[in-house]
Amino acid sequence: DAGITQSPRHKVTETGTPVTLRCHQTENHRYMYWYRQDPGHGLRLIHYSYGVKDTDKGEVSDGYSVSRSKTEDFLLTLESATSSQTSVYFCAISDPSGVSSYNEQFFGPGTRLTVL
Amino acid sequence: AQRVTQPEKLLSVFKGAPVELKCNYSYSGSPELFWYVQYSRQRLQLLLRHISRESIKGFTADLNKGETSFHLKKPFAQEEDSAMYYCALIDQTGANNLFFGTGTRLTVIP
Repeated sequence: DAGITQSPRHKVTETGTPVTLRCHQTENHRYMYWYRQDPGHGLRLIHYSYGVKDTDKGEVSDGYSVSRSKTEDFLLTLESATSSQTSVYFCAISDPSGVSSYNEQFFGPGTRLTVL
Repeated sequence: AQRVTQPEKLLSVFKGAPVELKCNYSYSGSPELFWYVQYSRQRLQLLLRHISRESIKGFTADLNKGETSFHLKKPFAQEEDSAMYYCALIDQTGANNLFFGTGTRLTVIP
């Protein structure tokens, strides 16, 4: 597995509380992504980053914010969690300029979040 | 707009039977397509990509631009092929974001 870790791996929280998920990589890849995985929807992109402090919105960004203060870490924050944000969250990394991993995205193990 | 469609949520086949997982796409440019697989309790991983024209674990997928399809095929299914399979298309205009289909859960019956 590529050097990607996510923390926490499981979290249960209550509606209205803030939640931060962390993605950490040791591959020095430029691009990082946050997806959510839901039955019937597959994986949908929430936010992505194309460099330190460079981020942009994905398909389902409402209710989420991100930050990337250093290459290896990409944080996803739910400012005020809602039950509709119960999901499995995956982080991914890629390095399109790399020779051996052209456009391939490598995924983390996922974080299962339950909002009660 | 880009779109990936996997019409089958669930697919069951017997061990040794051929398997085909369907994927259709919509994309205005020249598409770059992938198949990702997620085995039970494991992370999502790349199975194959069309530009490589490779065969991984006996699976192949051919891009058919006329039919806008990228179906995944294997002539003889194995029990260890049971997994969730996602077809994905890359958006080459931006940050190489992936657009996923909704996935097909393949079960290979012993």
